[in-house]
Amino acid sequence: TQLLEQSPQFLSIQEGENLTVYCNSSSVFSSLQWYRQEPGEGPVLLVTVVTGGEVKKLKRLTFQFGDARKDSSLHITAAQPGDTGLYLCAGVIQGAQKLVFGQGTRLTINP
Amino acid sequence: EADIYQTPRYLVIGTGKKITLECSQTMGHDKMYWYQQDPGMELHLIHYSYGVNSTEKGDLSSESTVSRIRTEHFPLTLESARPSHTSQYLCASSVRYSLTNEKLFFGSGTQLSVL
Repeated sequence: TQLLEQSPQFLSIQEGENLTVYCNSSSVFSSLQWYRQEPGEGPVLLVTVVTGGEVKKLKRLTFQFGDARKDSSLHITAAQPGDTGLYLCAGVIQGAQKLVFGQGTRLTINP
Repeated sequence: EADIYQTPRYLVIGTGKKITLECSQTMGHDKMYWYQQDPGMELHLIHYSYGVNSTEKGDLSSESTVSRIRTEHFPLTLESARPSHTSQYLCASSVRYSLTNEKLFFGSGTQLSVL
């Protein structure tokens, strides 16, 4: 059973378009993280959100933690080829200390 | 920039061979991890360590073993490799900011192919 479901699994769009990817669960999370993994490399942490309803911005990337702390979204504005990669969400379930990962969204931005 | 290194980056070996995947970090982190990642799949935790002489099995059953004799070094060993062990192996270390906020630093991974 997948604790964190990411959608879509694959997304290919043109440079300049906007996109949103999602990370959903039936469990409540104490915190949620987003990582980006480029081919041949390990994941790199982009952001951590800890408060329900929290919104964080990182240049053209906007991260939101759901009010109930069961879901999160990543919105990219004016996507660029450098945004290409595997985006992984990961979270700590409330009451636990273990980090669990989603299966990722593989994003391709075409020039 | 994370200072965590994995070697080799790529390894192709025959069935039955013993292999050791190396992982070293220079950040002085106590907690270290090994994850297994197949294409399009989530990361599965196979081993972790809280510090020297501490090793624990993760969520995914693995025939590999680990050791933690020094803080900076966390090698993973397969005594007899099989084709089912073919996968990407990622090592990570972490720093904890709070009970629920932990930042993982990953190495570049070892892509293992067992023929």
